[in-house]
Amino acid sequence: GESVGLHLPTLSVQEGDNSIINCAYSNSASDYFIWYKQESGKGPQFIIDIRSNMDKRQGQRVTVLLNKTVKHLSLQIAATQPGDSAVYFCAETGLGAQKLVFGQGTRLTINP
Amino acid sequence: ETGVTQTPRHLVMGMTNKKSLKCEQHLGHNAMYWYKQSAKKPLELMFVYSLEERVENNSVPSRFSPECPNSSHLFLHLHTLQPEDSALYLCASSPGRPANEGKLFFGSGTQLSVL
Repeated sequence: GESVGLHLPTLSVQEGDNSIINCAYSNSASDYFIWYKQESGKGPQFIIDIRSNMDKRQGQRVTVLLNKTVKHLSLQIAATQPGDSAVYFCAETGLGAQKLVFGQGTRLTINP
Repeated sequence: ETGVTQTPRHLVMGMTNKKSLKCEQHLGHNAMYWYKQSAKKPLELMFVYSLEERVENNSVPSRFSPECPNSSHLFLHLHTLQPEDSALYLCASSPGRPANEGKLFFGSGTQLSVL
């Protein structure tokens, strides 16, 4: 069945550095991808999304890259700040699907 | 503040208790969801309501009973739970029908402990 997974469960970076969080998916029919951020004590919060007709989308300090050939998704966070410390989830859904499939999450820690 | 409010934030209950979780969304959305979040597991979809009609029940045990009286409110009634049901229960809403709108707005969750 389809699955979404993250390569690394934890990631630590120095404040001010860039971070890259990766995600692999197995359902080739997936056509919509979302990154969520979950801070301690809060629910997941939408960060950025991308549809399969694009390979890159930029937001404020965040960029999502989609490589459909290898079914890989990444989230790049530029100039990381302490407030970026959180768990990041990727999620995907496909044409006709009724629900999102979430990955396990990567815990990002920003070191001062 | 996401516009989705969940109460209570924390709940401790015995296995014989009956309790209810409440969710309210102030966003005018048409779909509402219950998710279960356990440690080291992906988010698990439990129930989906679209326009107050249940459109998905993800093989959830009958000790969990959802109720959606209107498009702004969602409840999860709990009865004779097991310790393994201890988890963070998240409510979410989305503007459109689940198949077409993947962007979810989550509440802060209810941290449930079953003793």
